[in-house]
Amino acid sequence: DAKTTQPTSMDCAEGRAANLPCNHSTISGNEYVYWYRQIHSQGPQYIIHGLKNNETNEMASLIITEDRKSSTLILPHATLRDTAVYYCIARYTGGFKTIFGAGTRLFVKA
Amino acid sequence: NAGVMQNPRHLVRRRGQEARLRCSPMKGHSHVYWYRQLPEEGLKFMVYLQKENIIDESGMPKERFSAEFPKEGPSILRIQQVVRGDSAAYFCASSPTGDDTGELFFGEGSRLTVL
Repeated sequence: DAKTTQPTSMDCAEGRAANLPCNHSTISGNEYVYWYRQIHSQGPQYIIHGLKNNETNEMASLIITEDRKSSTLILPHATLRDTAVYYCIARYTGGFKTIFGAGTRLFVKA
Repeated sequence: NAGVMQNPRHLVRRRGQEARLRCSPMKGHSHVYWYRQLPEEGLKFMVYLQKENIIDESGMPKERFSAEFPKEGPSILRIQQVVRGDSAAYFCASSPTGDDTGELFFGEGSRLTVL
């Protein structure tokens, strides 16, 4: 799995968009970008994943650069309950050894 | 549809005792993964199992740790002769296939404290 680099922590005002960046400059062509989050020591929760195209679901949007060396997870209207550690992962399909780095600790403030 | 169930949620053991952690995957899932999370750190892959088979145990410590996923019943992570360094949260995840193009579903974890 490609190594990913994320900021250690970020702040966001409640109701505003939270944009969480991730660098994965060594990603290979068949590696997907996945995002999970972990709220206060609970089990990690899947958010979204993508390969080349931008993706959107009910939780978030994923923007992947054209060269695929970086991506951004967007929470469109952050709430206090979105305070969590967000993990960006690059992995092969069929790659079950999902490697979680240190992630970004997002603080959503009222 | 119940999610991934782990028990016990909290376990306290004295050094030298054994710890058994159980994981029931989501209904219809036959692939189970175990992860360990030390305080203030990310999750570390330990082992990947299918029913009655260990597929990859490259993340498991060489001694004292074992895992199984029998034909019937939950997956078990067993730690023998626990030491203080084993204190951690142990998370189990499941998926319907090993292809893993989708998501892993995680349980709430079992927190082991070794006195």
